[in-house]
Amino acid sequence: KAGVTQTPRYLIKTRGQQVTLSCSPISGHRSVSWYQQTPGQGLQFLFEYFSETQRNKGNFPGRFSGRQFSNSRSEMNVSTLELGDSALYLCASSLVGIVVRNTEAFFGQGTRLTVV
Amino acid sequence: AQSVTQPDIHITVSEGASLELRCNYSYGATPYLFWYVQSPGQGLQLLLKYFSGDTLVQGIKGFEAEFKRSQSSFNLRKPSVHWSDAAEYFCAVSIGGSQGNLIFGKGTKLSVKP
Repeated sequence: KAGVTQTPRYLIKTRGQQVTLSCSPISGHRSVSWYQQTPGQGLQFLFEYFSETQRNKGNFPGRFSGRQFSNSRSEMNVSTLELGDSALYLCASSLVGIVVRNTEAFFGQGTRLTVV
Repeated sequence: AQSVTQPDIHITVSEGASLELRCNYSYGATPYLFWYVQSPGQGLQLLLKYFSGDTLVQGIKGFEAEFKRSQSSFNLRKPSVHWSDAAEYFCAVSIGGSQGNLIFGKGTKLSVKP
């Protein structure tokens, strides 16, 4: 079956612009999470959605937002881009969103965002 | 506060040698713990997870990890490393039992010498 698909894979934006990243989870998965990965801060949790509702949110400014659609696809938006927003943004999907024995979260390959 | 510490930033081992990657966690309740691997330009792949029960957990690609509550550790081991194991390895703890809300360590980069 198809894995988690993130589009686009690479993106270059200018400071002050906004950007929207997309994540299509594995078919049947209802939970989608987003992470930011940078060399300095490592992997940091942004937010988690389940059945179109934001269930958890990390410690990021309000410029970072997201949503989930009825088909479980998710988008995240970053407004007023800053140089420090340059990062690999990873999306993960899981069946139910809670840790149970025989399920796991699957990660996409990420979107590499460069802000210039 | 919850946290995950991976003390080793970079480890180099010879092919065929054994490997142990260290992970210490801080979490108030019974933790759900994970090890992920990331190859360059790729996303994360789950190697194994501690859910409950047996403290020695078997994973994919010949990896295993041992959960030691008394030491707040979840170290990853492999008896014989292959060149294809070169990658970055991340330990993580679940917050509140969420599969999607994980706190990650800073990662350990593994290099393998021929």
